[in-house]
Amino acid sequence: AQKVTQAQTEISVVEKEDVTLDCVYETRDTTYYLFWYKQPPSGELVFLIRRNSFDEQNEISGRYSWNFQKSTSSFNFTITASQVVDSAVYFCALSEAGRNTGNQFYFGTGTSLTVIP
Amino acid sequence: DGGITQSPKYLFRKEGQNVTLSCEQNLNHDAMYWYRQDPGQGLRLIYYSQIVNDFQKGDIAEGYSVSREKKESFPLTVTSAQKNPTAFYLCASSIFGANTDTQYFGPGTRLTVL
Repeated sequence: AQKVTQAQTEISVVEKEDVTLDCVYETRDTTYYLFWYKQPPSGELVFLIRRNSFDEQNEISGRYSWNFQKSTSSFNFTITASQVVDSAVYFCALSEAGRNTGNQFYFGTGTSLTVIP
Repeated sequence: DGGITQSPKYLFRKEGQNVTLSCEQNLNHDAMYWYRQDPGQGLRLIYYSQIVNDFQKGDIAEGYSVSREKKESFPLTVTSAQKNPTAFYLCASSIFGANTDTQYFGPGTRLTVL
């Protein structure tokens, strides 16, 4: 079963619009970590945020914000006032702390965001 | 600057040949990882190593081999046994190998089998 689902394969928005990228995860562990990464056209994955399962506070970093809701197993990512430089593929990932699997990450299939100028 | 380097950026291989992808990090991280990315898919773990001279298979280890002789280096060999090796390969590292650790990624190597 897919542990991390990113149902939105591709999204296009016009510059300055807000956009939300969805991430739904599945785990039986009570302690786990969620991540978002950005993959620009160059290919390198850039770390954006890490959130543990005990911290449901929303986080804001500049134009980026994250909404973590354990009740719906979701960890959504919102970009406010999008810019062309935000165009990239965004990945959500899950790490289950209780597993003896050497920090294995479970990645979603990614959401490709295109910001149109 | 600390970081992860992968070389080469692009690699072409003929069928039946083995090829080795380089991954070096100067972050003093204990753990290193290799992932494979196919178009429209997420990343899949090939191998990981939490300490020098030790490594473990990930979900798709068949047709691949690794070594970890030095802390800063974790080369990946794609062998001729790998049936569909054309893909984008990403190397990552984390400070330890614990499940709490953030993984940091290199720029990737795009392998094409001709």
